Amino acid sequence: EPEVTQTPSHQVTQMGQEVILRCVPISNHLYFYWYRQILGQKVEFLVSFYNNEISEKSEIFDDQFSVERPDGSNFTLKIRSTKLEDSAMYFCASSRAGGYTFGSGTRLTVV
Amino acid sequence: KNEVEQSPQNLTAQEGEFITINCSYSVGISALHWLQQHPGGGIVSLFMLSSGKKKHGRLIATINIQEKHSSLHITASHPRDSAVYICAVRTGTASKLTFGTGTRLQVTL
Repeated sequence: EPEVTQTPSHQVTQMGQEVILRCVPISNHLYFYWYRQILGQKVEFLVSFYNNEISEKSEIFDDQFSVERPDGSNFTLKIRSTKLEDSAMYFCASSRAGGYTFGSGTRLTVV
Repeated sequence: KNEVEQSPQNLTAQEGEFITINCSYSVGISALHWLQQHPGGGIVSLFMLSSGKKKHGRLIATINIQEKHSSLHITASHPRDSAVYICAVRTGTASKLTFGTGTRLQVTL
Protein backbone atom coordinates (compact mmCIF):
# COMPACT_ATOMS: atom_id res chain seq x y z
CA GLU A 1 0.00 0.00 0.00
CA PRO A 2 1.37 3.46 -0.90
CA GLU A 3 2.91 5.40 1.99
CA VAL A 4 3.80 8.96 2.86
CA THR A 5 7.44 8.98 3.91
CA GLN A 6 8.88 11.53 6.34
CA THR A 7 12.51 12.17 7.23
CA PRO A 8 14.08 12.47 9.69
CA SER A 9 12.01 10.67 12.29
CA HIS A 10 13.60 12.74 15.04
CA GLN A 11 15.54 15.98 14.90
CA VAL A 12 17.13 17.94 17.71
CA THR A 13 18.13 21.51 16.93
CA GLN A 14 19.32 24.55 18.81
CA MET A 15 17.05 27.54 19.20
CA GLY A 16 17.54 29.96 16.35
CA GLN A 17 18.69 27.34 13.87
CA GLU A 18 16.93 26.56 10.60
CA VAL A 19 15.41 23.14 10.10
CA ILE A 20 13.98 21.43 7.03
CA LEU A 21 11.53 18.60 7.44
CA ARG A 22 11.11 16.38 4.41
CA CYS A 23 8.20 14.41 3.05
CA VAL A 24 7.53 12.26 0.02
CA PRO A 25 3.74 12.25 -0.54
CA ILE A 26 1.88 9.58 -2.48
CA SER A 27 2.63 10.18 -6.15
CA ASN A 28 -0.90 10.48 -7.53
CA HIS A 29 -2.23 12.59 -4.66
CA LEU A 30 -3.12 16.18 -5.40
CA TYR A 31 -3.17 17.90 -1.99
CA PHE A 32 -0.30 18.02 0.46
CA TYR A 33 -0.37 19.18 4.06
CA TRP A 34 1.68 19.85 7.13
CA TYR A 35 0.16 19.43 10.58
CA ARG A 36 1.77 19.62 13.98
CA GLN A 37 1.03 18.15 17.39
CA ILE A 38 2.55 19.66 20.51
CA LEU A 39 3.01 17.01 23.20
CA GLY A 40 -0.27 16.33 24.95
CA GLN A 41 -2.31 18.54 22.62
CA LYS A 42 -4.46 17.97 19.57
CA VAL A 43 -3.22 17.94 16.01
CA GLU A 44 -3.24 21.41 14.39
CA PHE A 45 -3.31 22.38 10.73
CA LEU A 46 -0.36 24.38 9.44
CA VAL A 47 -0.62 24.59 5.66
CA SER A 48 -2.10 22.97 2.58
CA PHE A 49 -0.49 22.91 -0.86
CA TYR A 50 -2.19 22.32 -4.20
CA ASN A 51 -1.08 22.85 -7.77
CA ASN A 52 2.35 24.01 -6.65
CA GLU A 53 1.16 26.74 -4.36
CA ILE A 54 -0.19 27.27 -0.85
CA SER A 55 -3.98 26.87 -0.89
CA GLU A 56 -4.58 27.61 2.79
CA LYS A 57 -2.52 28.36 5.89
CA SER A 58 -3.27 28.76 9.58
CA GLU A 59 -2.34 31.56 11.96
CA ILE A 60 0.51 29.37 13.19
CA PHE A 61 2.12 29.39 9.74
CA ASP A 62 3.83 32.75 10.03
CA ASP A 63 6.84 34.19 8.19
CA GLN A 64 9.14 31.73 9.97
CA PHE A 65 7.59 28.87 8.05
CA SER A 66 7.77 28.04 4.36
CA VAL A 67 6.93 25.07 2.17
CA GLU A 68 8.33 23.91 -1.13
CA ARG A 69 7.93 21.13 -3.61
CA PRO A 70 11.39 21.44 -5.12
CA ASP A 71 11.47 18.48 -7.49
CA GLY A 72 7.94 17.22 -8.04
CA SER A 73 8.20 14.45 -5.47
CA ASN A 74 9.57 15.90 -2.23
CA PHE A 75 7.52 18.30 -0.09
CA THR A 76 9.44 20.24 2.53
CA LEU A 77 8.62 22.38 5.55
CA LYS A 78 11.27 24.89 6.55
CA ILE A 79 11.37 26.68 9.88
CA ARG A 80 13.78 29.57 9.53
CA SER A 81 14.69 30.37 13.13
CA THR A 82 13.38 27.75 15.52
CA LYS A 83 11.91 28.64 18.90
CA LEU A 84 11.42 26.43 21.93
CA GLU A 85 7.67 26.41 21.26
CA ASP A 86 8.25 24.86 17.82
CA SER A 87 9.03 21.58 19.59
CA ALA A 88 6.34 19.20 18.37
CA MET A 89 5.58 16.22 16.17
CA TYR A 90 5.18 17.38 12.58
CA PHE A 91 3.03 15.29 10.27
CA CYS A 92 2.98 15.42 6.52
CA ALA A 93 -0.15 14.16 4.75
CA SER A 94 -1.44 13.87 1.24
CA SER A 95 -4.94 13.39 -0.06
CA ARG A 96 -6.91 12.55 -3.16
CA ALA A 97 -10.70 12.50 -3.46
CA GLY A 98 -10.90 13.37 0.22
CA GLY A 99 -9.05 10.31 1.48
CA TYR A 100 -6.05 11.12 3.66
CA THR A 101 -2.73 9.34 4.20
CA PHE A 102 -0.41 10.54 6.95
CA GLY A 103 3.32 10.10 7.31
CA SER A 104 4.74 8.67 10.53
CA GLY A 105 5.88 12.12 11.67
CA THR A 106 9.07 13.98 12.55
CA ARG A 107 9.61 14.70 16.21
CA LEU A 108 11.32 18.10 16.41
CA THR A 109 12.99 19.04 19.67
CA VAL A 110 14.31 22.59 20.00
CA VAL A 111 16.82 23.05 22.83
CA LYS B 1 -14.70 28.00 13.30
CA ASN B 2 -15.60 24.35 13.79
CA GLU B 3 -15.19 22.91 17.25
CA VAL B 4 -14.79 19.16 17.47
CA GLU B 5 -15.50 17.51 20.82
CA GLN B 6 -14.88 13.90 21.70
CA SER B 7 -16.02 11.79 24.61
CA PRO B 8 -14.85 10.14 26.66
CA GLN B 9 -11.30 11.53 26.90
CA ASN B 10 -10.06 8.28 28.40
CA LEU B 11 -11.54 4.81 28.26
CA THR B 12 -10.43 1.56 29.82
CA ALA B 13 -12.10 -1.66 28.74
CA GLN B 14 -11.61 -5.36 29.25
CA GLU B 15 -10.86 -7.58 26.30
CA GLY B 16 -14.03 -8.54 24.49
CA GLU B 17 -16.06 -5.48 25.48
CA PHE B 18 -18.04 -3.38 23.01
CA ILE B 19 -16.63 0.15 22.86
CA THR B 20 -18.20 3.40 21.71
CA ILE B 21 -16.38 6.69 21.18
CA ASN B 22 -18.39 9.80 20.39
CA CYS B 23 -17.65 12.91 18.35
CA SER B 24 -19.69 16.10 18.05
CA TYR B 25 -18.98 19.11 15.88
CA SER B 26 -20.42 22.59 15.78
CA VAL B 27 -20.91 23.51 12.11
CA GLY B 28 -21.85 21.70 8.90
CA ILE B 29 -19.17 19.48 7.41
CA SER B 30 -18.34 17.89 4.07
CA ALA B 31 -16.73 14.80 5.62
CA LEU B 32 -15.68 13.31 8.94
CA HIS B 33 -12.60 11.17 9.47
CA TRP B 34 -11.83 8.67 12.21
CA LEU B 35 -8.11 8.23 12.78
CA GLN B 36 -5.99 6.02 15.03
CA GLN B 37 -2.78 7.19 16.67
CA HIS B 38 -0.47 4.62 18.25
CA PRO B 39 2.00 5.33 21.08
CA GLY B 40 4.82 5.83 18.57
CA GLY B 41 2.86 8.78 17.20
CA GLY B 42 1.95 7.70 13.68
CA ILE B 43 -1.59 8.42 12.45
CA VAL B 44 -3.60 5.90 10.46
CA SER B 45 -6.84 6.72 8.67
CA LEU B 46 -9.68 4.37 9.65
CA PHE B 47 -12.78 5.84 8.00
CA MET B 48 -13.99 8.77 5.97
CA LEU B 49 -17.74 9.40 6.26
CA SER B 50 -20.17 11.91 4.84
CA SER B 51 -23.35 10.00 5.68
CA GLY B 52 -24.66 6.74 7.07
CA LYS B 53 -22.44 3.96 8.30
CA LYS B 54 -19.22 2.17 7.37
CA LYS B 55 -17.78 -1.11 8.66
CA HIS B 56 -14.29 -2.53 8.45
CA GLY B 57 -13.62 -5.69 10.38
CA ARG B 58 -14.51 -5.07 14.03
CA LEU B 59 -14.78 -1.31 13.53
CA ILE B 60 -18.03 0.48 12.72
CA ALA B 61 -18.42 4.22 12.16
CA THR B 62 -21.72 6.05 11.99
CA ILE B 63 -22.65 9.65 11.38
CA ASN B 64 -25.82 11.66 11.92
CA ILE B 65 -25.52 14.84 9.86
CA GLN B 66 -28.63 16.48 11.34
CA GLU B 67 -27.41 15.99 14.91
CA LYS B 68 -23.76 16.80 14.00
CA HIS B 69 -22.62 13.63 15.71
CA SER B 70 -20.57 10.56 14.86
CA SER B 71 -19.69 7.40 16.75
CA LEU B 72 -16.90 4.88 16.39
CA HIS B 73 -17.68 1.39 17.69
CA ILE B 74 -15.25 -1.43 18.31
CA THR B 75 -16.74 -4.88 18.73
CA ALA B 76 -14.93 -7.64 20.64
CA SER B 77 -12.15 -5.28 21.73
CA HIS B 78 -8.60 -6.58 21.98
CA PRO B 79 -5.45 -5.19 23.67
CA ARG B 80 -4.03 -4.37 20.23
CA ASP B 81 -6.88 -1.85 19.83
CA SER B 82 -5.22 0.26 22.54
CA ALA B 83 -4.48 3.63 20.94
CA VAL B 84 -5.75 7.18 20.71
CA TYR B 85 -8.78 7.51 18.44
CA ILE B 86 -9.24 10.90 16.83
CA CYS B 87 -12.19 12.46 15.06
CA ALA B 88 -11.41 15.11 12.43
CA VAL B 89 -13.71 17.07 10.11
CA ARG B 90 -13.56 18.84 6.78
CA THR B 91 -15.72 21.91 6.28
CA GLY B 92 -17.09 23.18 2.99
CA THR B 93 -14.69 23.19 0.07
CA ALA B 94 -11.59 23.37 2.28
CA SER B 95 -9.48 20.24 2.29
CA LYS B 96 -7.81 20.75 5.67
CA LEU B 97 -8.89 18.75 8.73
CA THR B 98 -9.92 20.16 12.10
CA PHE B 99 -9.07 17.67 14.81
CA GLY B 100 -10.70 16.67 18.06
CA THR B 101 -8.63 16.12 21.18
CA GLY B 102 -8.76 12.34 20.88
CA THR B 103 -9.95 9.47 23.06
CA ARG B 104 -7.27 7.38 24.72
CA LEU B 105 -8.40 3.74 24.77
CA GLN B 106 -6.73 1.04 26.81
CA VAL B 107 -7.95 -2.53 26.47
CA THR B 108 -6.76 -4.92 29.16
CA LEU B 109 -6.74 -8.72 29.29
